[in-house]
Amino acid sequence: SQTIHQWPATLVQPVGSPLSLECTVEGTSNPNLYWYRQAAGRGLQLLFYSVGIGQISSEVPQNLSASRPQDRQFILSSKKLLLSDSGFYLCAWNRGENTIYFGEGSWLTVV
Amino acid sequence: GEDVEQSLFLSVREGDSSVINCTYTDSSSTYLYWYKQEPGAGLQLLTYIFSNMDMKQDQRLTVLLNKKDKHLSLRIADTQTGDSAIYFCAEAPYSSASKIIFGSGTRLSIRP
Repeated sequence: SQTIHQWPATLVQPVGSPLSLECTVEGTSNPNLYWYRQAAGRGLQLLFYSVGIGQISSEVPQNLSASRPQDRQFILSSKKLLLSDSGFYLCAWNRGENTIYFGEGSWLTVV
Repeated sequence: GEDVEQSLFLSVREGDSSVINCTYTDSSSTYLYWYKQEPGAGLQLLTYIFSNMDMKQDQRLTVLLNKKDKHLSLRIADTQTGDSAIYFCAEAPYSSASKIIFGSGTRLSIRP
């Protein structure tokens, strides 16, 4: 069966520090991969999605970036965090039009 | 462009039915979904419906799709305290089937 893991689960980082959130999917190949952000009290915002290695689509211009160095690995990064980057980050995957499955999320607090 | 809208809050009495509504803009959407998010957790799929269906029932859950009005609803029968959560509507637009668009979520609270 397929599983998705993301880490770290919680993170407290100072303003201006770098960020790296990692996500891996097991049990499938060539998945579509996604990063969503859920700000406090708000809905889900699609940040990036990827349909293959090295193929990244950015939905919202900001100081975050994403990379897909391997088929089942998706990384969310920032060189310098802002206070407004705080939120709950969710990695997700699916195959084509099928159901999207989410990881457990990563809580980021920028202080 | 693609957009999904939901009301932010819904409060119902325990044992009553809950109806959560959603509207979407892309008439060519292929799949429409309902997800549940409990506090501090990721999203779990509750149910989904193909765009060529009008209704889908799964135990206490009933999904109704009105394609003409681009309206999707989720009915939870006999609402229980464990149903307290945020419910997200989502669509998979045909124009970009790899991109799932979510609504802002409806927070369902249960009154005793």
